[in-house]
Amino acid sequence: GDSVTQMEGPVTLSEEAFLTINCTYTATGYPSLFWYVQYPGEGLQLLLKATKADDKGSNKGFEATYRKETTSFHLEKGSVQVSDSAVYFCALSDPTGSARQLTFGSGTQLTVLP
Amino acid sequence: SAVISQKPSRDICQRGTSLTIQCQVDSQVTMMFWYRQQPGQSLTLIATANQGSEATYESGFVIDKFPISRPNLTFSTLTVSNMSPEDSSIYLCSVGSGAFGGNTIYFGEGSWLTVV
Repeated sequence: GDSVTQMEGPVTLSEEAFLTINCTYTATGYPSLFWYVQYPGEGLQLLLKATKADDKGSNKGFEATYRKETTSFHLEKGSVQVSDSAVYFCALSDPTGSARQLTFGSGTQLTVLP
Repeated sequence: SAVISQKPSRDICQRGTSLTIQCQVDSQVTMMFWYRQQPGQSLTLIATANQGSEATYESGFVIDKFPISRPNLTFSTLTVSNMSPEDSSIYLCSVGSGAFGGNTIYFGEGSWLTVV
């Protein structure tokens, strides 16, 4: 079955540091890939997505590139801010299924210190 | 993007009682899903809410415990029945939006339930 493996946290960085959160996946077919973010005390928000190989999703300074050859979708940001402190979830949606449910990774807690 | 409203946003429930969570979407959507997020955990799909027919449950979830209604294309409810402290979780409604192959899944703000 489909699965998503995320870099284990927690991750603690200083403000303006470079961020990478690794995400690899296993899926049949050609999944769409997503990063969601959950700020403290809030629900899930879509951060970015990519629907086919070599697509790059980007939003709020975050980027992730769909790498089919390495089955990866690593999240990066060049300079993190304190306000980026949140839990980040990598997820995939397999379009070959009859429904568009998501398979989530375990989540990575990010804390950015001033 | 779809705007999803969930009610209640938070509640504290007594053991043995049941609570119904409502999910309202601002547009008609084909796919609606219910997820559970236990404290400090990732999200687990409970079921797919099917309009006009019984929900499709994932392994480990049953209709008697989590009855779901989907009377139309913009509304669904999830009931958590006979609650125990282990049911303390965030329950999230989500919808699929977009054409086949480009679907994006959007989430409501979640319903944060604490069972005491």
